[in-house]
Amino acid sequence: LAKTTQPISMDSYEGQEVNITCSHNNIATNDYITWYQQFPSQGPRFIIQGYKTKVTNEVASLFIPADRKSSTLSLPRVSLSDTAVYYCLVGTGGSQGNLIFGKGTKLSVKP
Amino acid sequence: DTGVSQDPRHKITKRGQNVTFRCDPISEHNRLYWYRQTLGQGPEFLTYFQNEAQLEKSRLLSDRFSAERPKGSFSTLEIQRTEQGDSAMYLCASSPGGARTYEQYFGPGTRLTVT
Repeated sequence: LAKTTQPISMDSYEGQEVNITCSHNNIATNDYITWYQQFPSQGPRFIIQGYKTKVTNEVASLFIPADRKSSTLSLPRVSLSDTAVYYCLVGTGGSQGNLIFGKGTKLSVKP
Repeated sequence: DTGVSQDPRHKITKRGQNVTFRCDPISEHNRLYWYRQTLGQGPEFLTYFQNEAQLEKSRLLSDRFSAERPKGSFSTLEIQRTEQGDSAMYLCASSPGGARTYEQYFGPGTRLTVT
């Protein structure tokens, strides 16, 4: 499974757009890129998944360049409730599917 | 609520005792996963089931740990002879499988404290 690298922490203010970048230089052809969000004392929550270019849902956008060696999770107009840890994962959906989490990026949104 | 549920939410036990946790996945999901999470770390994979078959176990799952999913619905995770190092949050997740395997839905977790 491809190893991912993301910042340990980020700070932002309410109403700003937040972009969290994840590096995955060894991504394989069949790998998907998936992002999860986790609040304290809760299980992770699936945010978004993509393979290439751009994916958007009601929560976030995911930008993946052509070489797929990195990806950027974009959260528009964050609020205090977006304070959480965000995990970037890379792997193959068709295999066993066990997720390999790193330490994630702790996002702190300030008023 | 049709999400993943786990019981109990908290468990305090003494070292050497056995504990059992239960997970009820989303009913139409055929894949079920167990993870363990310690403070400041991301969840670590323990084991997973496709229907009632246990298809993979992590090296983290010592012989004191056993998991079952007898009818392909709910699952149990048992830890025998608990040790203080077993203190962690135990998370269960379910997935529809196939192309959506990485879209996993997690329960609230069971926090285990071994004293």
